Amino acid sequence: QKEVEQDPGPLSVPEGAIVSLNCTYSNSAFQYFMWYRQYSRKGPELLMYTYSSGNKEDGRFTAQVDKSSKYISLFIRDSQPSDSATYLCARGAQKLVFGQGTRLTINP
Amino acid sequence: KAGVTQTPRYLIKTRGQQVTLSCSPISGHRSVSWYQQTPGQGLQFLFEYFSETQRNKGNFPGRFSGRQFSNSRSEMNVSTLELGDSALYLCASSLVEVQETQYFGPGTRLLVL
Repeated sequence: QKEVEQDPGPLSVPEGAIVSLNCTYSNSAFQYFMWYRQYSRKGPELLMYTYSSGNKEDGRFTAQVDKSSKYISLFIRDSQPSDSATYLCARGAQKLVFGQGTRLTINP
Repeated sequence: KAGVTQTPRYLIKTRGQQVTLSCSPISGHRSVSWYQQTPGQGLQFLFEYFSETQRNKGNFPGRFSGRQFSNSRSEMNVSTLELGDSALYLCASSLVEVQETQYFGPGTRLLVL
């Protein structure tokens, strides 16, 4: 079992839809969780990070961690075609462990 | 503030050769990590350097090595290249105080023929 599991998709939704991206993790010892966005042929870009449980909001993006179920979520409201990218979840520490990434396409 | 820079951006090598990749972290960031990204295995941690010392290492063979200089710039080296080493090699830097939030460079795309 991989330490961080993520559905690779692909996921395709219409513009304006709410997008829900999810990951599960197995090691409850870690407290930091991140979401990265990666455009084609670019390096990953840090979107958000959360500590322990709870929600964190930044504009159209909300990150959520549920430690009881070991679930990490990223919600994108009012999705735009420019949000089309691969989204990677990761658990933190000095060495990040990433999920496989979910390829998201927002259709105009 | 300038981001993480990596050189070269693209590289083509043949099996058996060796390669050196370079990374300059964000100014003020003293921790530098390297990752390998492939379609099959995803993003995998190679190693992390701080203060010119390797502090963490992933599960890669000894052909993969690195170093960090006093100005925090880092290099990684892969010797005796294999076809399976073809990948995007990413460097990430972070503040010592917030090592969990790492900022990535654009990567070096290595193709081994």
